[in-house]
Order: sequence, then structure tokens, then C-alpha cells
Amino acid sequence: QKEVEQDPGPLSVPEGAIVSLNCTYSNSAFQYFMWYRQYSRKGPELLMYTYSSGNKEDGRFTAQVDKSSKYISLFIRDSQPSDSATYLCAMSNFGNEKLTFGTGTRLTIIP
Amino acid sequence: NAGVTQTPKFQVLKTGQSMTLQCAQDMNHNSMYWYRQDPGMGLRLIYYSASEGTTDKGEVPDGYNVSRLKKQNFLLGLESAAPSQTSVYFCATQRSSYNEQFFGPGTRLTVL
Repeated sequence: QKEVEQDPGPLSVPEGAIVSLNCTYSNSAFQYFMWYRQYSRKGPELLMYTYSSGNKEDGRFTAQVDKSSKYISLFIRDSQPSDSATYLCAMSNFGNEKLTFGTGTRLTIIP
Repeated sequence: NAGVTQTPKFQVLKTGQSMTLQCAQDMNHNSMYWYRQDPGMGLRLIYYSASEGTTDKGEVPDGYNVSRLKKQNFLLGLESAAPSQTSVYFCATQRSSYNEQFFGPGTRLTVL
């Protein structure tokens, strides 16, 4: 079993819809949770960063962490065609700089 | 500032050939990483370097070697390329005590 599980999709939704992307993990020591966005033929770039449990909002994006369930989510409101990309979750534990990545979910927003 | 740059962008090798992938950063970050990305496998860590002159193996180091002689450069070598090393390779940097990693644009390598 992988330490981090992420549904690879692909996921296609109409423009304006709310998108929910999720990851589950098995390592209870993970404290830092990140979402990266990767456009086709580009390197990943950090989208959201949260520490421990709770929610964080940045514009149309909301990241949620539920440590009791070992479950993290990324919500995209009012989705746009420019949101079409692969979204990777990543996490690490305190004192360990190395990140453990999910396999990524490929998202397409249909105009 | 260029951030993280990788050369070459594309490369085709024949089985058994050797080559070096280059990564350079102008962010003055201590940590640098080499990943490979394959369909359905996500990003897998090959090697990483916590500081100039130090390197450690990651999840999939077999068939690769690395060099970190200068803080701003991290080199990934393939001594004898195999078709299983066909992949997209990403270099990343990280500031100490922070978890955000900054990625380069990638090198697409095909081994025939």
C-alpha cells in the first residue's frame, strides 16, 4: 500500500462547477500538507500549503486537512478552463524536508 | 531571476549510452532533489542533497549517480542508459526548514 493515495482521474467538469480533489495517507506523522498544480509539459508549482489540521482559503481555492481521518482535500470554486491541469498532493513530517507525493489527478474544465 | 533551470529539455539515448542531466538554481537554497515522473507513478525521488558536497539516495536510485560540487548545481548521471529510464526528470530546490519545493521545467528522456 502506498503511503499517499490519490485518484488519478481523469476528472472532467463543466466551467463554473465546484471541484473536489482528495488524497488519503497512512503515515500519522505527516504534519505538512501541500497541493501542487502541474500544467502539461511543465514542472509542478505550489498552490496551497497547510500545517496540521484545518482549512485554508486562497481566492477560489480551499485546502482542508482532516488528520483524524488521514484525509486531505482541495476545493476549487467557480472552476475555469485555466484550472485544467494535474493536481498533486504532497506531505511531510516534522523534521523531514523530503516530500511524499500522490500520483496526481488530471483535471479538465470544459468551457 | 531564472529560478531552477534544467538542461537539456529533451534527449534521446540508445541503450548503454551515458549522459548527465544538469540542474542549476539561483535561489541560494541548500536542498536540491532529482525526481522522475512516470504515468501512474507520480513523482519518485531519485537522489537528494541537503547541502553542497552531500548526497543521499532516494526511493529509486539504481542506475543513477549524482554530484553536488557547487551549491547552485546538482547533476544527475546515467552511466549506462536502459529503456526503463525513459521518463521525465525534474529537479527541485528547497530552502532549509521550509517544505515548499521549487521545480524546474523538466527533461524528457527517451532511451531506445
